[in-house]
Amino acid sequence: IAGITQAPTSQILAAGRRMTLRCTQDMRHNAMYWYRQDLGLGLRLIHYSNTAGTTGKGEVPDGYSVSRANTDDFPLTLASAVPSQTSVYFCANSGTDPFQPQHFGDGTRLSIL
Amino acid sequence: SQQGEEDPQALSIQEGENATMNCSYKTSINNLQWYRQNSGRGLVHLILIRSNEREKHSGRLRVTLDTSKKSSSLLITASRAADTASYFCATDAGAGTALIFGKGTTLSVSS
Repeated sequence: IAGITQAPTSQILAAGRRMTLRCTQDMRHNAMYWYRQDLGLGLRLIHYSNTAGTTGKGEVPDGYSVSRANTDDFPLTLASAVPSQTSVYFCANSGTDPFQPQHFGDGTRLSIL
Repeated sequence: SQQGEEDPQALSIQEGENATMNCSYKTSINNLQWYRQNSGRGLVHLILIRSNEREKHSGRLRVTLDTSKKSSSLLITASRAADTASYFCATDAGAGTALIFGKGTTLSVSS
């Protein structure tokens, strides 16, 4: 069972370039999330989607966009990467019941030079 | 802004000892969850405690919740080297499915 698959696992990117991080689930959960994890700051929510066709902003949405065309895919796009976006990015999902746990992918390590 | 804050930031113990981590939060919650993260991996859900529960057990894990003090603790009994990881608490801040994570406690268990 794959659960959540993120790609790429790591990437080095020049500042100013556009980058899309991919996230695919095989769990058919309605809700999906993107977090960034930075040393000393923990996980911070970037964007989320409660169901296909809807998205919302999290705590740190600036510089990022998402789309949710179907249940399984939730890509995160950096339109013009900046060095401060160097981080580890995690995709997660959950059921829409508020007592459901979240399931995480193994992350994408992104370095912006 | 962080809803949950773990304490201590880092904890080093010997195998067989118990490890206790604490989490404090600021606003009312529906539930509080604990997650574990091994180095280089994603977070894995450990246990969820609802706001109307005071204690919950799962194997060697014991979680308590004190809503009057807005705090929770995670106890790992008889720790093993394989318990070495970072542990995070997360709350929903009463807002449904969007969790807010703390900064984590890094646990090192030496054999």
